[in-house]
Amino acid sequence: AQKITQTQPGMFVQEKEAVTLDCTYDTSDQSYGLFWYKQPSSGEMIFLIYQGSYDEQNATEGRYSLNFQKARKSANLVISASQLGDSAMYFCAMRGSLIQGAQKLVFGQGTRLTINP
Amino acid sequence: EPEVTQTPSHQVTQMGQEVILRCVPISNHLYFYWYRQILGQKVEFLVSFYNNEISEKSEIFDDQFSVERPDGSNFTLKIRSTKLEDSAMYFCASSRGEQYFGPGTRLTVT
Repeated sequence: AQKITQTQPGMFVQEKEAVTLDCTYDTSDQSYGLFWYKQPSSGEMIFLIYQGSYDEQNATEGRYSLNFQKARKSANLVISASQLGDSAMYFCAMRGSLIQGAQKLVFGQGTRLTINP
Repeated sequence: EPEVTQTPSHQVTQMGQEVILRCVPISNHLYFYWYRQILGQKVEFLVSFYNNEISEKSEIFDDQFSVERPDGSNFTLKIRSTKLEDSAMYFCASSRGEQYFGPGTRLTVT
């Protein structure tokens, strides 16, 4: 069974600082995918970044990067130069083997990030 | 940019009533999903759908739930006899690779 653990229920950072949101995972699959989603107070789920288990380089998307450490089974999200609009709930999620077609996402409990001006 | 849409955005229903939540996935996506999120909790998988049949379902997805793709564009979730504990945000998602989520339908059962 797959499991995602996010150990930080809440994070508070000053605007313009970088922030790292922790995510560890557990799976027996050799091939898997890791995702981060942002959920603002309005409730929608916004896809941020994806990392495949065989990707050799860490994924980056603008101010978002994923610090993927396979041996440690961690996939931390790094947000550089944080902005007030980054205040939201952030979920780490995992998808299992890519060869099995439709694959459910397993989510962590989430981290509520608050950016202070 | 293509997006997943869901209707209604908010549904209030009485316990025991049937509800149908509607989704229009991204047009070239092949896989479709429903998830739910009880207020303040994590997002939970309900069901995945591919090639006009259920690929996988969770233990939450019991006999009161059903899904259908009645035409080439819509994907629906039906809850036959709603319970108070069905109150949640229901998300539809679609994918070819990464999953893209709709804005959600907030279901309130009274």
